[in-house]
Amino acid sequence: NAGVTQTPKFRILKIGQSMTLQCTQDMNHNYMYWYRQDPGMGLKLIYYSVGAGITDKGEVPNGYNVSRSTTEDFPLRLELAAPSQTSVYFCASTLSGARSSYEQYFGPGTRLTVT
Amino acid sequence: EDKVVQSPLSLVVHEGDTVTLNCSYEVTNFRSLLWYKQEKKAPTFLFMLTSSGIEKKSGRLSSILDKKELFSILNITATQTGDSAIYLCAVDFIQGAQKLVFGQGTRLTINP
Repeated sequence: NAGVTQTPKFRILKIGQSMTLQCTQDMNHNYMYWYRQDPGMGLKLIYYSVGAGITDKGEVPNGYNVSRSTTEDFPLRLELAAPSQTSVYFCASTLSGARSSYEQYFGPGTRLTVT
Repeated sequence: EDKVVQSPLSLVVHEGDTVTLNCSYEVTNFRSLLWYKQEKKAPTFLFMLTSSGIEKKSGRLSSILDKKELFSILNITATQTGDSAIYLCAVDFIQGAQKLVFGQGTRLTINP
């Protein structure tokens, strides 16, 4: 198993540009997540999905959009990039139920700079 | 507002020392507390704690949860330079889907 994979690893965007961060997992996990991590900070949840066709906002969703058309893929879309979106983005997945906690598996991250 | 606070934010020790990292939380309907280690890239899972007073142990690392006082500690004995990393604490609370609230992390540096 490759686990959770993310592309690209690095990206520089100009203000106002758009891009999609890709995330794929091959563990048949139903739950998937997008986090951002700013320097010296913990992770903040942007969006999450509990299954194909179902997505919901996390703590910091403004400026982002997601979709979940398959179990495996959970892309994150940035529209009109702003310098405040400069961060490292992590995708994660878990095989979880509503009544239990399970460890989340993280992808290697995408380092995004907006200038 | 649900909150997770870690201390210290940064710690520098010598190889062989023992360290204790702290994590306190204020969440409603607590379900579990998780510890992760983050080196250069993605966080990797260390422990999940759900019950108070039961120590989880893996080699030189151990962790325990106190649900009455709302905190957890992560101990690392006989530290090695490979233990240098950011240690993240996260709390899951009962609200349907698992959603983790992370602390700021503790940056641990082990000097030879």
